[in-house]
Amino acid sequence: DTEVTQTPKHLVMGMTNKKSLKCEQHMGHRAMYWYKQKAKKPPELMFVYSYEKLSINESVPSRFSPECPNSSLLNLHLHALQPEDSALYLCASSQDNGPQEGLFFGSGTQLSVL
Amino acid sequence: DAKTTQPPSMDCAEGRAANLPCNHSTISGNEYVYWYRQIHSQGPQYIIHGLKNNETNEMASLIITEDRKSSTLILPHATLRDTAVYYCIVIGYGQNFVFGPGTRLSVLP
Repeated sequence: DTEVTQTPKHLVMGMTNKKSLKCEQHMGHRAMYWYKQKAKKPPELMFVYSYEKLSINESVPSRFSPECPNSSLLNLHLHALQPEDSALYLCASSQDNGPQEGLFFGSGTQLSVL
Repeated sequence: DAKTTQPPSMDCAEGRAANLPCNHSTISGNEYVYWYRQIHSQGPQYIIHGLKNNETNEMASLIITEDRKSSTLILPHATLRDTAVYYCIVIGYGQNFVFGPGTRLSVLP
């Protein structure tokens, strides 16, 4: 299994809702990532988990809350989002947090905040 | 910030080779060059990577200049399905993948 699976593929939520994005990989990778991508822009790094511990938070607002329950799963909890948070949210994983391993990306969750 | 410079867009005729350049003049000796591509609204897809030597796989070839300050991704026989944004990324140990604007390649029939 060489896939990173993200659910749901599409999500529409109101500004008062609470929702979660899920990401799963079964490649034995120990580093997992959340990226945010606005339309016609490159992906921007949000969070990095290494060995199930949060190692990087790129100054992301607290309305985004990551969670890594185990080495195969990564969640992104969303609460009180703003319309400008509408974007494609990408999950990725790598063998380790090193450059020679490369990143494997999921197909993303397209989020719309109304 | 991204450590690379790429042209914003390129066109290529179907069946011809697509040569995508990337400048990385400040690359360090232990930094790798990676190429990814992203087809509309999908996750980025790994293509190839290298450190010093030229590399080839079933998707593409990567040519790195001897001084390592630039590289070229070659798609030998471009098809319409190769239309995508191509990202060149320079990364060293302990660093994270930072995406620049990339090159939007349009393969024309």
